[in-house]
Amino acid sequence: SQKIEQNSEALNIQEGKTATLTCNYTNYSPAYLQWYRQDPGRGPVFLLLIRENEKEKRKERLKVTFDTTLKQSLFHITASQPADSATYLCALGRDKLIFGTGTRLQVFP
Amino acid sequence: GAGVSQSPSNKVTEKGKDVELRCDPISGHTALYWYRQSLGQGLEFLIYFQGNSAPDKSGLPSDRFSAERTGGSVSTLTIQRTQQEDSAVYLCASSLVAEGQGRGGYTFGSGTRLTVV
Repeated sequence: SQKIEQNSEALNIQEGKTATLTCNYTNYSPAYLQWYRQDPGRGPVFLLLIRENEKEKRKERLKVTFDTTLKQSLFHITASQPADSATYLCALGRDKLIFGTGTRLQVFP
Repeated sequence: GAGVSQSPSNKVTEKGKDVELRCDPISGHTALYWYRQSLGQGLEFLIYFQGNSAPDKSGLPSDRFSAERTGGSVSTLTIQRTQQEDSAVYLCASSLVAEGQGRGGYTFGSGTRLTVV
């Protein structure tokens, strides 16, 4: 069955550093991959989408890579800020999205 | 509306009772999705509506769960004879077809927190 893995342990980094989150998947060939941010008590908020034929996508301080051979996506936040602290979800899909369990990021001053 | 609206925001019900959860998607969004999220878990897909096509019900965990979408807009998720394991946050999302198929993302509501006691 399809499986999406994100590091379940929280990632703690210092303000100003680059945060890198990993998403690995098996038994699936997604047409696209998306990243979402979720704050406590709120629904996920869409951040970035990358298609299967794209290697990298950037948006402001965010960068996503997508390696369909390794079946892996990396999500980078450069110059991280305490306001970036949240849970980040990876999602893969064709018609509907399948979500990973998310990685909690904590950026401390 | 400006966003996806879900009601109620919180629902406490007794085991064995039926509950209805409502979702108002963004106007013009043809695709509507229901997910649920248990404490500390990821989002579990439940059901997906796309226009007038038959819904994808592959994620519904049992026949106690059903959903309908009236007039291509508002959706109701019904859970019959609720059990304690049904306790979770039920999230609704909507998207334009093109977004759902890879041009953008889903817009989620804030969810309904269901507690079965």
